[in-house]
Amino acid sequence: GAVVSQHPSWVICKSGTSVKIECRSLDFQATTMFWYRQFPKQSLMLMATSNEGSKATYEQGVEKDKFLINHASLTLSTLTVTSAHPEDSSFYICSARGTSPAYNEQFFGPGTRLTVL
Amino acid sequence: GENVEQHPSTLSVQEGDSAVIKCTYSDSASNYFPWYKQELGKRPQLIIDIRSNVGEKKDQRIAVTLNKTAKHFSLHITETQPEDSAVYFCAEAETGANSKLTFGKGITLSVRP
Repeated sequence: GAVVSQHPSWVICKSGTSVKIECRSLDFQATTMFWYRQFPKQSLMLMATSNEGSKATYEQGVEKDKFLINHASLTLSTLTVTSAHPEDSSFYICSARGTSPAYNEQFFGPGTRLTVL
Repeated sequence: GENVEQHPSTLSVQEGDSAVIKCTYSDSASNYFPWYKQELGKRPQLIIDIRSNVGEKKDQRIAVTLNKTAKHFSLHITETQPEDSAVYFCAEAETGANSKLTFGKGITLSVRP
């Protein structure tokens, strides 16, 4: 149980285009989903916290107009990188947490490798 | 969580030896401490976690110890195997609806066959 999927697994796009990444919890309801960015040989940096039916909470320094997050249902959250540039190239990972916040555990998706040319 | 420091940044051990990785944290309200293993290009996988109401937890070759007074927790891997080679991240969080994980910088563990 507790499987999280991401789509696509990798994407290559031209500078200036927008890219949408989907994160799905396959066998549980995720009231909260998290979006992380990971540059090579670095740690996971939290970008934003997404709660179903409400606006995402962005971490300091993350542009909310550039990284659009939609959490439309208890099993789906999307991250759209708008007007992508080469510096946005990174490994984007989502995670999902179930309906019992006391347990804290987050289940991670397999990640999406974004390359902006 | 506020700040999590992880050290050393790299660790190389001989197969069969033990490996210990330590993390320190600053937020006294933190009460959940997971450890993740990440292989190159893959998702982080939870390998063990501990909550503040216990001092030690063990799962086969892996154990985690927590010292809340000193604000540090450690990952212990015994009888290391080459497949243990990966990047290991510690993290911490408070309990609650607004809880979020703060990750350490990670340590690259290499197990020499």
